[in-house]
This record gives sequence, structure tokens and C-alpha cells, in this order.
Amino acid sequence: DGGITQSPKYLFRKEGQNVTLSCEQNLNHDAMYWYRQDPGQGLRLIYYSQIVNDFQKGDIAEGYSVSREKKESFPLTVTSAQKNPTAFYLCASMGQGATNTEAFFGQGTRLTVV
Amino acid sequence: GDSVTQMEGPVTLSEEAFLTINCTYTATGYPSLFWYVQYPGEGLQLLLKATKADDKGSNKGFEATYRKETTSFHLEKGSVQVSDSAVYFCALISPANYGGSQGNLIFGKGTKLSVKP
Repeated sequence: DGGITQSPKYLFRKEGQNVTLSCEQNLNHDAMYWYRQDPGQGLRLIYYSQIVNDFQKGDIAEGYSVSREKKESFPLTVTSAQKNPTAFYLCASMGQGATNTEAFFGQGTRLTVV
Repeated sequence: GDSVTQMEGPVTLSEEAFLTINCTYTATGYPSLFWYVQYPGEGLQLLLKATKADDKGSNKGFEATYRKETTSFHLEKGSVQVSDSAVYFCALISPANYGGSQGNLIFGKGTKLSVKP
């Protein structure tokens, strides 16, 4: 079945450590997105990529990094520079053609700094 | 830039009540419009969509009509159930908004709906 998979579902990180969240899709989508969601809040865009080997900063990119070496994969690294990383992280993908006009979401990764 | 504004929550209703969640948008060009639903601890799921003016999206008893003249896409359901309790997000995809800090997939802030028996 086609879909978008995030792993792990829960992740714990010690202060000062970098951690990488995985996002993989087999929908043949060109565009992929990373969002952060805090409790009771909406979605804030961290980074997005419209095509392989290219990505753009979203509204809250500081303290995060991404790569897009393969169409299927868009990992997000939360670096030690991110001062308040505890949040729910959501990955999405979307086709770019006229008939692929909806975004699909993964189930999310809940990151907790301990 | 393009944006989506939806009514603030939380919204609390009794079972079988009528639901309206307002959504208005600002966009250049001709966006596609969406409603997504998020159940606790999960990702977002597409609820319904409309890709051009006057289209009506519908699913699971929910409906929304793409109104270009009022730039609105209000979500309605005639009789809500406890199982409809979730957060609802209005969104647009704007083909013209490429490369900016929001990309071309733009969400409202979400509206939490609680339905009581």
C-alpha cells in the first residue's frame, strides 16, 4: 500500500544531543514537508522540499536541518541549537501535478527532551 | 502572502447538533481548498476537498462549498456525533506561492471540536 511513514513514533533525547526523525513515502510525490505542532496549537512549517536535492526554510527553520537526497526520503535533524524541541512533528508529502492536489501525512513523531 | 483564517475554538456541541466551522482564505491565482481532521495523537487525514469555484466537497456527512465570491470554504455537518470530536484544519494549495516561507501548502490554525453525549 502506498503511504507515508514516520519513525519512530516516540523519541526521547537528552539535552545537547542531535536527533534525526525519519520520513519515507512511496507515493512518488515530489514535494515533502516538515511541521511542528505544540500542544493545543496549529501547524508550523519547518522546512519543505519541492524536488530532490533542493529545499527551502519554513517559518521556524532555526535549530533544524534537512536533506533530500532521494525522492522517497526527507529526514529532519533536530540539532542542539533548537532550544525547545519537545513537540509533535508531522511529515507530509504532495504530488505536483494538476491531479495530485492533496497532501498526505504521516502518523507523527513525538519528541521529548529529557 | 497567501493565508487561511478559521474560527477559533474550542467548539463544544451536544450530539446531533448542527456544526459550522468558518474558513476564509486569501490567495493569488486559483487555489485548491481542503479540510483535514486530526484525532488525538495522530497525523492529519483528508476529510474533503474542492478544486474550483462552486465545487462542493463532501465526506462522512461533512460538506464544504468553495465560494470564490466570499473567499470562503466553511465546514458543515447536520448532526454531529461524539466520534467527530477532533481538531479540524482548513488548508489551501496555492500553485502560485512557490519558494516562500510557507511553500504552497498553507493551513489555518485549527479548530478543536468536542461533542458531548
